[in-house]
Amino acid sequence: AQSVTQPDIHITVSEGASLELRCNYSYGATPYLFWYVQSPGQGLQLLLKYFSGDTLVQGIKGFEAEFKRSQSSFNLRKPSVHWSDAAEYFCAVDNAGNMLTFGGGTRLMVKP
Amino acid sequence: NAGVTQTPKFQVLKTGQSMTLQCAQDMNHEYMSWYRQDPGMGLRLIHYSVGAGITDQGEVPNGYNVSRSTTEDFPLRLLSAAPSQTSVYFCASSYLGPESGEQYFGPGTRLTVT
Repeated sequence: AQSVTQPDIHITVSEGASLELRCNYSYGATPYLFWYVQSPGQGLQLLLKYFSGDTLVQGIKGFEAEFKRSQSSFNLRKPSVHWSDAAEYFCAVDNAGNMLTFGGGTRLMVKP
Repeated sequence: NAGVTQTPKFQVLKTGQSMTLQCAQDMNHEYMSWYRQDPGMGLRLIHYSVGAGITDQGEVPNGYNVSRSTTEDFPLRLLSAAPSQTSVYFCASSYLGPESGEQYFGPGTRLTVT
C-alpha cells in the first residue's frame, strides 16, 4: 500500500531564513505529487503539483519542490520565509486517480 | 463562485445521535470526497464519488454513509455517532482525469461527540 511520510512534525525557522520540508513516499509507479498548505482554522490550499517532466516545480507564494525518484522524495523549499507562511503543510500522493494519500503534516512556525 | 461550502462549521453530538454534514460545490466538478483530519494523521479519505449516483469507500468508511443525487451536493451521514468520530471533516471536489488531482477543499466542520 502507498504511504507518505513527513518526518518533521514541527519546524521553527526565523523570518527571512530558508526552508525545506521533507516528504518521502512509497508507491510502485511514478506518482502524482502535491503539496497543500492549511492555515489555522481553514481548509487546504494547493501549493504545487508534480505530474511529469521537469523535476523542479514552482508553486504559489514563492514555494518550489523537487521530485527525486531515486530517493522517493518530494521536498518543499522556500528561499526566504515570511511570517505569513506559518501554517501546516501536507504532502500528498495521488495513488488511483483523484484519491489522495496524505502525510501526517508538518507544522511550520516562524520566529520574528 | 462560492467554491466548496460546508455546513455546519461546528457541531456537538451525543453518542448515538445521527446527523448529516452538508457539502456543496458550484464548479461542476465530477469528483467529490470526504476526509477526516486527526492530529498527526493528516487527512484520511472516508468516501468519494465520481459523479451523480456513484459513490465508493475510501480508507476509513465505517460509521459513515454518503449519497450523490446531484453533481453539486455530497452529504455525509453519521448514523450513530461515536466518540471516535470526533474530528474535523473536510469536503473536497475536483475534475476527473489523471492530471486533475488538484482538489478544492471546503472550510471544514469540527465535530465533537461526547
